[in-house]
Amino acid sequence: NAGVTQTPKFQVLKTGQSMTLQCAQDMNHEYMSWYRQDPGMGLRLIHYSVGAGITDQGEVPNGYNVSRSTTEDFPLRLLSAAPSQTSVYFCASSSIGGRAYNEQFFGPGTRLTVL
Amino acid sequence: LAKTTQPISMDSYEGQEVNITCSHNNIATNDYITWYQQFPSQGPRFIIQGYKTKVTNEVASLFIPADRKSSTLSLPRVSLSDTAVYYCLVGGDSGGYQKVTFGTGTKLQVIP
Repeated sequence: NAGVTQTPKFQVLKTGQSMTLQCAQDMNHEYMSWYRQDPGMGLRLIHYSVGAGITDQGEVPNGYNVSRSTTEDFPLRLLSAAPSQTSVYFCASSSIGGRAYNEQFFGPGTRLTVL
Repeated sequence: LAKTTQPISMDSYEGQEVNITCSHNNIATNDYITWYQQFPSQGPRFIIQGYKTKVTNEVASLFIPADRKSSTLSLPRVSLSDTAVYYCLVGGDSGGYQKVTFGTGTKLQVIP
């Protein structure tokens, strides 16, 4: 099992450019999410999904779009990159069910710089 | 969602036991307490989870008092490799999957 994979590992964009960060998992998890982590800060939830065709906003959704057409993939789209979106982006997945938060498995992250 | 409060940072010498306390005064009846560990340049990793009293695994122990308004993550005999940020999360799946949010965590620095 590859777990959660993210591509690319590094990316530099110019202000106004758009791009898609890819995330895939091979654990058949229903729940997938995107976080951003700014230097020295905690993780902030951008968007999440509880299954194919179902997405919802997190704490900081502005400037980002997501879709979930398959269980495995959960891409994050930056519509028009801004320097404030310079950050490390983590994708995570977990199963759903039970009373507690199920363990989330995180990808290695994508380090994005917007000039 | 229950708000959590943790110390921003802690230092400890190698070999000591480290206790990180998380305050969650408005924890709900259905909420669980979950801790994650994050090393530099990596995504967080699940450490331990509990609902009440004490939970222990091969990595850590989690102590939860009867009123559940706080919890303590205990790391026995830390080593340099335990230097990381530790996050306390409070919540659970009560009928519909909730957003899983992280706070700022506690940065633990283990000193030789």
